[in-house]
Amino acid sequence: SAVISQKPSRDICQRGTSLTIQCQVDSQVTMMFWYRQQPGQSLTLIATANQGSEATYESGFVIDKFPISRPNLTFSTLTVSNMSPEDSSIYLCSVVWSGSNEQFFGPGTRLTVL
Amino acid sequence: QKEVEQDPGPLSVPEGAIVSLNCTYSNSAFQYFMWYRQYSRKGPELLMYTYSSGNKEDGRFTAQVDKSSKYISLFIRDSQPSDSATYLCAMFNDYKLSFGAGTTVTVRA
Repeated sequence: SAVISQKPSRDICQRGTSLTIQCQVDSQVTMMFWYRQQPGQSLTLIATANQGSEATYESGFVIDKFPISRPNLTFSTLTVSNMSPEDSSIYLCSVVWSGSNEQFFGPGTRLTVL
Repeated sequence: QKEVEQDPGPLSVPEGAIVSLNCTYSNSAFQYFMWYRQYSRKGPELLMYTYSSGNKEDGRFTAQVDKSSKYISLFIRDSQPSDSATYLCAMFNDYKLSFGAGTTVTVRA
């Protein structure tokens, strides 16, 4: 089966800095998404990463805070900008392959902001 | 009211017991229904995927959907300690997933 990887797997960052998280898939996918899972909470969709165009953000999430890139069909990045302790979460990318509605998740990036 | 309601538990059962997990939803537009399993410090793993009312079996797992009642269930037979995880229901519409809160399950050896 296809492999979804994320880098870094975890990081501890200082308040006010930014972190870019990478999501790499070993085969082309139709859609890529970014989710946040705050401690003890379920998953919340941040945005849909669109290839070659601006991401589509969900209510409560903005491009200035969470810029997203998707330069091709196998790779996307999410940046968490100007971080505060409230941004401490697990960030997950997920993908959907062509002809399927099933959504598969990467292993997640555990972010702690001090 | 949340679109998807799921009792967060926690749920603790002895090994070999049947685990019963449930979710209700309010949005009639949801087309597909999924159950994910998430181990601690891991990403969610897709367990079951259904799109019609009725039952779907896969090994020890049975997913049940009742669209008229807007109610879905997951049953785990002959539960094992390795089934200890958080189980999340998810509803799909227009390529977006809406998740329940997740139920934490512990199977005691």
